[in-house]
Amino acid sequence: NAGVTQTPKFQVLKTGQSMTLQCAQDMNHEYMSWYRQDPGMGLRLIHYSVGAGITDQGEVPNGYNVSRSTTEDFPLRLLSAAPSQTSVYFCASSPSYGRQLSQETQYFGPGTRLLVL
Amino acid sequence: KQEVTQIPAALSVPEGENLVLNCSFTDSAIYNLQWFRQDPGKGLTSLLLIQSSQREQTSGRLNASLDKSSGRSTLYIAASQPGDSATYLCAVEADSSYKLIFGSGTRLLVRP
Repeated sequence: NAGVTQTPKFQVLKTGQSMTLQCAQDMNHEYMSWYRQDPGMGLRLIHYSVGAGITDQGEVPNGYNVSRSTTEDFPLRLLSAAPSQTSVYFCASSPSYGRQLSQETQYFGPGTRLLVL
Repeated sequence: KQEVTQIPAALSVPEGENLVLNCSFTDSAIYNLQWFRQDPGKGLTSLLLIQSSQREQTSGRLNASLDKSSGRSTLYIAASQPGDSATYLCAVEADSSYKLIFGSGTRLLVRP
């Protein structure tokens, strides 16, 4: 298994441009999520999905859109990039939603570094 | 609102030392607590997960404890090695929703 993959690894955008960060997992996980990590800070949840066709907002959703048409893919769209969206973006997946007493954790991708000028 | 704090922000120790990383959280109603390792420019790797009903978890030279009532967790690393150098992140899950709230991390350097 490739695990969680993210593309691109690095991207430079100009203010106002739009782009899509790709995330895919081959573990048939139901739960997927997007986090952003800023310098000196922990990760903050942007959007998440508990299964195909179901998405919801996290802590910092403004300026981002998501969709989940398949179990494998969970793209993150920046509608109109702003310098405040300069960050490292991580995608994560997990095998089940609402589990009990499980030791299953979340699996993170390698991240996408985004610079908005 | 749940807040997670990690102290210290950075730590430098000589190889072979035993060390403790601290994590505190403001709301004791958590589902679980996890410790992650992050290498520079890389993603996160899960180290230990402690369910709310558990007091500790061990994996090799790592031991994590959880005290829900006081809102604290510690990650103990025995006989540290240069390969342990990384940033260690603590995260709590408030309910069985998979939404993690992270601390800002402790950057560890183990000197040869």
